[in-house]
Amino acid sequence: GAGVSQSPRYKVAKRGQDVALRCDPISGHVSLFWYQQALGQGPEFLTYFQNEAQLDKSGLPSDRFFAERPEGSVSTLKIQRTQQEDSAVYLCASSLGTSTEAFFGQGTRLTVV
Amino acid sequence: QKEVEQNSGPLSVPEGAIASLNCTYSDRGSQSFFWYRQYSGKSPELIMSIYSNGDKEDGRFTAQLNKASQYVSLLIRDSQPSDSATYLCAVKGDSSNTGKLIFGQGTTLQVKP
Repeated sequence: GAGVSQSPRYKVAKRGQDVALRCDPISGHVSLFWYQQALGQGPEFLTYFQNEAQLDKSGLPSDRFFAERPEGSVSTLKIQRTQQEDSAVYLCASSLGTSTEAFFGQGTRLTVV
Repeated sequence: QKEVEQNSGPLSVPEGAIASLNCTYSDRGSQSFFWYRQYSGKSPELIMSIYSNGDKEDGRFTAQLNKASQYVSLLIRDSQPSDSATYLCAVKGDSSNTGKLIFGQGTTLQVKP
């Protein structure tokens, strides 16, 4: 596709459920980032992949959050035992490298009820 | 103290006026600075990047960087109602080899016809 694609666009989860959010980056983009954006705030970094290697996961808020990119393209962010404070928009971005422009997907809005 | 600070606004300007958006950052080692525009419910879109002290102009947009004062600004000339959005300042630190961005909370701009 032409841009970064994320699915689903919207997800409602009951507290305690596990969710999986998918990101399909721009073809050929080596770098992939996940960000969390709470209402009225700027995006906050969660984790970074260079191809299939997760080089930085310093932003993951707890061990309930897990991300993978097994073949260096599509990435999945998994949240286990969702809590209300996990409600946010989850943005995925990709770039050719670390010093090039990052393009964002439309995001997945997660609401935990 | 947050790493990247912006006034959340809203900043309201009349159509045709100059809008001035400001941002300060705490990491003196930061090397790359970006302004993203985010319409409500949409993903961030890069509008300007700046890497060295001084001004950088692109159409109606001018980014200004002062590393000594740790200050970045964005000027929008001849503001249009379509410029109404949230403007996010983002910083990439030299200590980060990942390309991850640290965002401010964003300034909401309202351009009134």
